[in-house]
Amino acid sequence: QKEVEQNSGPLSVPEGAIASLNCTYSDRGSQSFFWYRQYSGKSPELIMSIYSNGDKEDGRFTAQLNKASQYVSLLIRDSQPSDSATYLCAVSGTGNQFYFGTGTSLTVIP
Amino acid sequence: EAQVTQNPRYLITVTGKKLTVTCSQNMNHEYMSWYRQDPGLGLRQIYYSMNVEVTDKGDVPEGYKVSRKEKRNFPLILESPSPNQTSLYFCASSYDNEQFFGPGTRLTVL
Repeated sequence: QKEVEQNSGPLSVPEGAIASLNCTYSDRGSQSFFWYRQYSGKSPELIMSIYSNGDKEDGRFTAQLNKASQYVSLLIRDSQPSDSATYLCAVSGTGNQFYFGTGTSLTVIP
Repeated sequence: EAQVTQNPRYLITVTGKKLTVTCSQNMNHEYMSWYRQDPGLGLRQIYYSMNVEVTDKGDVPEGYKVSRKEKRNFPLILESPSPNQTSLYFCASSYDNEQFFGPGTRLTVL
């Protein structure tokens, strides 16, 4: 069973702070890594993808990947109340399947 | 507008009554997938399709069927629904591993 683990939270940060979300995965053959945001009652939407070790920045979002430690993280800088959502980590390997974590609930307090 | 559509959005049915949830995408994506989302279990992949007439089982395929006769459509079939299939279902299509999700179908099986 290929697993993707996330801390379910809830994680609360004040507005303007950095939110740090973490994810570990069990399959060393995993090649593609994704962060999705899901607002309550809505469908997941892709916010970041990362494929190689290191950091990838997109606006206020930075994804970090460490394949040796089987660890991927998402940093949200200058957090806004509109960032309050559940963040899903997803992993894909050579088998074209996707595995999702159970999500981390983030609340940004104004 | 590029989108993935699902129908119906809400469905209440009874055990054993065959049903089909339709999924359609207008982005010419080759990859399509079905997921179910349950509290505490996250998103789990049911079936996926790499292209027309090519389908593969995901993590939780038992009790479900799919078909891919056309590139744009990927229906999910429950031949004999049971209460443990009560869930929120998402269809997704993908280009280059980046998935776009439909709005979801909330299914209740009594």
